[in-house]
Amino acid sequence: DAGVTQSPTHLIKTRGQQVTLRCSPKSGHDTVSWYQQALGQGPQFIFQYYEEEERQRGNFPDRFSGHQFPNYSSELNVNALLLGDSALYLCASSFLSGGAVTQYFGPGTRLTVL
Amino acid sequence: AQSVTQLGSHVSVSEGALVLLRCNYSSSVPPYLFWYVQYPNQGLQLLLKYTSAATLVKGINGFEAEFKKSETSFHLTKPSAHMSDAAEYFCAVSDQSGGAQKLVFGQGTRLTINP
Repeated sequence: DAGVTQSPTHLIKTRGQQVTLRCSPKSGHDTVSWYQQALGQGPQFIFQYYEEEERQRGNFPDRFSGHQFPNYSSELNVNALLLGDSALYLCASSFLSGGAVTQYFGPGTRLTVL
Repeated sequence: AQSVTQLGSHVSVSEGALVLLRCNYSSSVPPYLFWYVQYPNQGLQLLLKYTSAATLVKGINGFEAEFKKSETSFHLTKPSAHMSDAAEYFCAVSDQSGGAQKLVFGQGTRLTINP
């Protein structure tokens, strides 16, 4: 059973460019959340997708957008990249249910903005 | 809003010694609490979670955590440290405000094991 997968592993972009990160959830999961982890920090919630809709967004600007496909996979898009967008981007998948929902994380995509 | 504070950004112990990583939470509702571990250049791996079933929670790799409501704490312990335990550890609380169940993480504690 494959876990959460993310691509690419590493990415180098320059300021002003646009980037797309991809995530495939764990088998059986229908919800995808994205987090940004700056160096030396804990992950920060960007947004969550369920049934192809954005359920909630954290404190991130509109330059950050996402999408969820019918097969539950997801993309994170960042426009007009800034140096401060350099971080590890983590995708987490879960199954929407009541009670404590466990999120399972992928290995992340390391984005460097020059 | 829920929040988590991890006391000590760096903890260093000798191999075979007790590991204690501290986590305090703030929550207006009964919390769901998690500990994750992150090895270098990897994602987060779930160690254990508290869901109100039992106050002492056992996880993988010999780790356990005790939920203490009176102290709003959820400290992570392991009786005997192993070199392979060297990693970054994150405490997180589940925040269900806004409709989605998202995780709010602490700043992390880097655990170093001395031979």
